[in-house]
Amino acid sequence: EAQVTQNPRYLITVTGKKLTVTCSQNMNHEYMSWYRQDPGLGLRQIYYSMNVEVTDKGDVPEGYKVSRKEKRNFPLILESPSPNQTSLYFCASSLRTGGFGYTFGSGTRLTVV
Amino acid sequence: KQEVTQIPAALSVPEGENLVLNCSFTDSAIYNLQWFRQDPGKGLTSLLLIQSSQREQTSGRLNASLDKSSGRSTLYIAASQPGDSATYLCAVENYGGATNKLIFGTGTLLAVQP
Repeated sequence: EAQVTQNPRYLITVTGKKLTVTCSQNMNHEYMSWYRQDPGLGLRQIYYSMNVEVTDKGDVPEGYKVSRKEKRNFPLILESPSPNQTSLYFCASSLRTGGFGYTFGSGTRLTVV
Repeated sequence: KQEVTQIPAALSVPEGENLVLNCSFTDSAIYNLQWFRQDPGKGLTSLLLIQSSQREQTSGRLNASLDKSSGRSTLYIAASQPGDSATYLCAVENYGGATNKLIFGTGTLLAVQP
């Protein structure tokens, strides 16, 4: 089944403890992206990657890192999480940008205390 | 700057009713418009993708239209069911200045009463 898989689905952590949210797609998509969803603010892009080893900032990149060493994986790294990073996170992929539609993962609910 | 608006913000209808959700966008320079469904605390499920050159797409009881020149899309749900209850989001992919991302509307929360 073609899908985007995120792990973990739920995570509670403490301020300052580094964490990684994994994202993997099995569709050989070139483009991958991370979004966060917050009440009243909607979905906002954090980082995106046009292809392997090519990443760029989205609208709200502060406090996050990403890497794209392989085509299928695009992990989101929070080096020192803070409570304002409590959110619902989504990974998405597309064959490439330019009208091919996007597939989203099931989301990761992160709580930072 | 592209802005996407969805009206109404919330809608409650009795089972069996046909309904229309609205999405408007300010910049017509789009590759496509995509409708998603989101269940509470869950992921986004793609419902329909309309390319900028298309006028509509259909999938089962769902029909989405696109009028790029007026910056509008509608999602028509026929014979609504309680299982249709969810938040519906529309999103556009721009070309030109603001590329490489989807720009989302704020969603319509739909409740279908049995």
